[in-house]
Amino acid sequence: DAGITQSPRHKVTETGTPVTLRCHQTENHRYMYWYRQDPGHGLRLIHYSYGVKDTDKGEVSDGYSVSRSKTEDFLLTLESATSSQTSVYFCAISESGNYGYTFGSGTRLTVV
Amino acid sequence: AQTVTQSQPEMSVQEAETVTLSCTYDTSESDYYLFWYKQPPSRQMILVIRQEAYKQQNATENRFSVNFQKAAKSFSLKISDSQLGDAAMYFCARPSTAGTYKYIFGTGTRLKVLA
Repeated sequence: DAGITQSPRHKVTETGTPVTLRCHQTENHRYMYWYRQDPGHGLRLIHYSYGVKDTDKGEVSDGYSVSRSKTEDFLLTLESATSSQTSVYFCAISESGNYGYTFGSGTRLTVV
Repeated sequence: AQTVTQSQPEMSVQEAETVTLSCTYDTSESDYYLFWYKQPPSRQMILVIRQEAYKQQNATENRFSVNFQKAAKSFSLKISDSQLGDAAMYFCARPSTAGTYKYIFGTGTRLKVLA
């Protein structure tokens, strides 16, 4: 079915704890992305990857790190969660920027 | 800064009527792509329509079409014969000029469809 899955779908965590969100694809696409969605801001890029072990920062990367050890997996880690990181997180994949992204179903993260 | 602007935070349309959602952007490139995404209450992001900037013909997908004005850097989405299932957030997007297939998204327009 869906060539991209995110886990977990929902998570509540406490301030100061580490959190890892997972994105898994079965499309063998080169490019993978993490965005966060907040009201009034649309979607903002956190980090992206253009190949295994090749990653780079987006516009809102502070407080986040990523890893991509395999083509199919892209992990987003919040080293020490803060309330400002409460958001909906989307993973996306693309083979070429010309044809649009395929998105995962999102993770709603609440930091209390 | 590179931007994509959606100036209408919310719009309403009567069922079966037509509505147009606006989007403007900035770019210094001549060849690029533009996209509209739909996000229904399920939260899933769905690609609605795609426009290639070097094509003069406006893209159409069933009831969805675009009004692409390249010189004005405007990329509006027209929804004809609106249906209750069209109620959603709509986001305009374009790749950044950095050439790494990173997309910049607008802040979205919430469309309400009135029965």
